[in-house]
Amino acid sequence: DQQVKQNSPSLSVQEGRISILNCDYTNSMFDYFLWYKKYPAEGPTFLISISSIKDKNEDGRFTVFLNKSAKHLSLHIVPSQPGDSAVYFCAAKGSTLGRLYFGRGTQLTVWP
Amino acid sequence: GAGVSQSPSNKVTEKGKDVELRCDPISGHTALYWYRQRLGQGLEFLIYFQGNSAPDKSGLPSDRFSAERTGESVSTLTIQRTQQEDSAVYLCASSLAMTPGELFFGEGSRLTVL
Repeated sequence: DQQVKQNSPSLSVQEGRISILNCDYTNSMFDYFLWYKKYPAEGPTFLISISSIKDKNEDGRFTVFLNKSAKHLSLHIVPSQPGDSAVYFCAAKGSTLGRLYFGRGTQLTVWP
Repeated sequence: GAGVSQSPSNKVTEKGKDVELRCDPISGHTALYWYRQRLGQGLEFLIYFQGNSAPDKSGLPSDRFSAERTGESVSTLTIQRTQQEDSAVYLCASSLAMTPGELFFGEGSRLTVL
């Protein structure tokens, strides 16, 4: 059962424009959400997170938005750069659930 | 080293052989995860260790898979009687107890079963 869903396997954006990656979840017990970035032949690296008590968290060019009522979160990257091209994984965790649940990932390609 | 270390980085084996993959987490990290990523697929959860609690083994795909962790240090993932569908990159990650979602991943062990 896929409790964290990334329905877009790929996204292509021109350099300088905004990239919006989406993620949906089904488990209402999730209270902490994260985004990871993965380059080929490397392990994923933590990018940004948000607690369920917030609806927005910003870190430089990266902003994560959380809509708890819709069980939806999104990652905005602005402006997008070619170096942002990678697979982005959404992840979620509940304080009583133990492990982290990952989505299947979205391949972002930023072209010049 | 400062990061999560995995070995071997690459392993080619014949179908039916047993393999053992090793993970050295970051010192002080109480949580340790194993994931695998098959070609073109997402991250598939295998097993999760948290301190002295019983591990969450719910992701292990069959009884050919097992994992151990010694205290809060090294973990080994063992795959017995390997099959071609076991071919994947096996990723280990660790985290601090107070930041349980922020995982630090190793570079993975690429397993190819011929």
